[in-house]
Amino acid sequence: ETGVTQTPRHLVMGMTNKKSLKCEQHLGHNAMYWYKQSAKKPLELMFVYNFKEQTENNSVPSRFSPECPNSSHLFLHLHTLQPEDSALYLCASSQEAGANVLTFGAGSRLTVL
Amino acid sequence: GENVEQHPSTLSVQEGDSAVIKCTYSDSASNYFPWYKQELGKRPQLIIDIRSNVGEKKDQRIAVTLNKTAKHFSLHITETQPEDSAVYFCAASRDGGFKTIFGAGTRLFVKA
Repeated sequence: ETGVTQTPRHLVMGMTNKKSLKCEQHLGHNAMYWYKQSAKKPLELMFVYNFKEQTENNSVPSRFSPECPNSSHLFLHLHTLQPEDSALYLCASSQEAGANVLTFGAGSRLTVL
Repeated sequence: GENVEQHPSTLSVQEGDSAVIKCTYSDSASNYFPWYKQELGKRPQLIIDIRSNVGEKKDQRIAVTLNKTAKHFSLHITETQPEDSAVYFCAASRDGGFKTIFGAGTRLFVKA
């Protein structure tokens, strides 16, 4: 186990549902990230938290709402999603935001019906 | 905005041959360039990285080169093996920044 745990691993939801993705890291890192991975596209940075403060919101629609209660936990709250939001959502952490190695979780595979 | 271009998108080589993947970055302030390998159904994992004060770095069969003037960097895999088959992502970031920007990925197939 790499130290970054994501749950659930798979999620199927309707467009009117509300669900949350959870990420937890046991590495003592101070930065956490959400990336979206769609087929044949670059890993898209969504949000960055550095020392619990949100430092980047990469023009993400408001139907995605992040929450970082402490440096070890990161959530992504989902509501009123669209089918095009179906993707693999990867959480990552690093010592600090910036020029540092990212450690990724295994991802949450989201399917929006 | 910042972006990283990666080529080729797909690469097929015979076992034992070399593979080269190339990336170009746009943010001249970038100073850290990691490469991640993602096997099918698994998470991306760092395989090698280079910082801008170094032109080349090698780790066994893997090497990375950096040309700061041209703003491009490359991954070289020698003596490829079937287990090298995966998607490889280049990325760029900088001290004081918050983003790691990824290339679109290269799917490498190593044929036995």
